[in-house]
Amino acid sequence: GAVVSQHPSRVICKSGTSVKIECRSLDFQATTMFWYRQFPKKSLMLMATSNEGSKATYEQGVEKDKFLINHASLTLSTLTVTSAHPEDSSFYICSAPDRGKETQYFGPGTRLLVL
Amino acid sequence: SQKIEQNSEALNIQEGKTATLTCNYTNYSPAYLQWYRQDPGRGPVFLLLIRENEKEKRKERLKVTFDTTLKQSLFHITASQPADSATYLCALGRGTGFQKLVFGTGTRLLVSP
Repeated sequence: GAVVSQHPSRVICKSGTSVKIECRSLDFQATTMFWYRQFPKKSLMLMATSNEGSKATYEQGVEKDKFLINHASLTLSTLTVTSAHPEDSSFYICSAPDRGKETQYFGPGTRLLVL
Repeated sequence: SQKIEQNSEALNIQEGKTATLTCNYTNYSPAYLQWYRQDPGRGPVFLLLIRENEKEKRKERLKVTFDTTLKQSLFHITASQPADSATYLCALGRGTGFQKLVFGTGTRLLVSP
């Protein structure tokens, strides 16, 4: 099946710094990717829809200036957490839809810890 | 508001038994419902999709039912194995093609040898 990768898998940073997370579709092209956030023992919460060649669409309550999304190519979307604070610590997961289908392929996730 | 509920408590069963997980939803009219498996520290993995006009779907030891009147889906794993231990998430979607999914909170399944 299709593979989605994320990098890094785990990152620890100081409060106030910015962190970039990459999401790549390895063997297929994805014009759309989704970014989720998951707190411990909680469900996945959709943060934004990343669109190749255009601006991302953010869900209500998600600060677009805080979580910058860039979908520069058909296989890469990046999420940058700017001026990170401890409350941004979470598990961030991206996904890419299977073309023409309703299913999504998820990346392995990135664990962010802000000290 | 839209709500998707799954058993919040872990489900503990004995190896070889059938595990049944529940997904209930309110204030939502999904075109389809999906089940995903998530292992600790990993992203979800797609298992099955069932559409609103389908009552039941099977894949190997997995079976999913979808009752749009009750607004409920049941997910069954027959002849369960310890390797089936994971968190199972249901997700609802509308329309066709690329669509945003709304996820339930997930149910943790523990299969004991």
